[in-house]
Amino acid sequence: GENVEQHPSTLSVQEGDSAVIKCTYSDSASNYFPWYKQELGKRPQLIIDIRSNVGEKKDQRIAVTLNKTAKHFSLHITETQPEDSAVYFCAATAAGNKLTFGGGTRVLVKP
Amino acid sequence: DAGITQSPRHKVTETGTPVTLRCHQTENHRYMYWYRQDPGHGLRLIHYSYGVKDTDKGEVSDGYSVSRSKTEDFLLTLESATSSQTSVYFCAINGQKNTEAFFGQGTRLTVV
Repeated sequence: GENVEQHPSTLSVQEGDSAVIKCTYSDSASNYFPWYKQELGKRPQLIIDIRSNVGEKKDQRIAVTLNKTAKHFSLHITETQPEDSAVYFCAATAAGNKLTFGGGTRVLVKP
Repeated sequence: DAGITQSPRHKVTETGTPVTLRCHQTENHRYMYWYRQDPGHGLRLIHYSYGVKDTDKGEVSDGYSVSRSKTEDFLLTLESATSSQTSVYFCAINGQKNTEAFFGQGTRLTVV
């Protein structure tokens, strides 16, 4: 089955700096890659997603890039703010619409 | 919020007892998932369903069973709870392949 690796597990950045989280996946048939944000005590919520026919997608301060050849994708957050502090999860969907998550990255934005 | 609710929200149970968690949706979505979340392990898929009476195992299915007798309900059963099944359980739904999955509020289960 699909295996998704996510790095780093924790990330501390100064407010205003950029944050980058990287994920790799194993199943070349995977074709949908969402990113979720989970605040403390809350449910995960989608922040951005990308499909395999697109190399990059941007939404305000958030961008995702996908390299299908290398089987990796990344989340970029620019101009980080304290409210960006949370746990972020990458995921991949392969055959049967089975959604597999990475281990998560705890992001701390220091004011 | 998407129309998805989990019950109960919190439960404490004793080792060896059966436990059933319920996920209920009002979106008529085809796909439903059960995940468990533990520190250091992220969200791990237990079982998922791609239609009524159609289910498949995830990566951590041992000790768990599921049933989906109607579109709106997906039940997760721990036949004989163990302390290793203490976790936060999330249900998720989505309507089509490769689209956003919506999560329930989670159920915190403690097995003592």
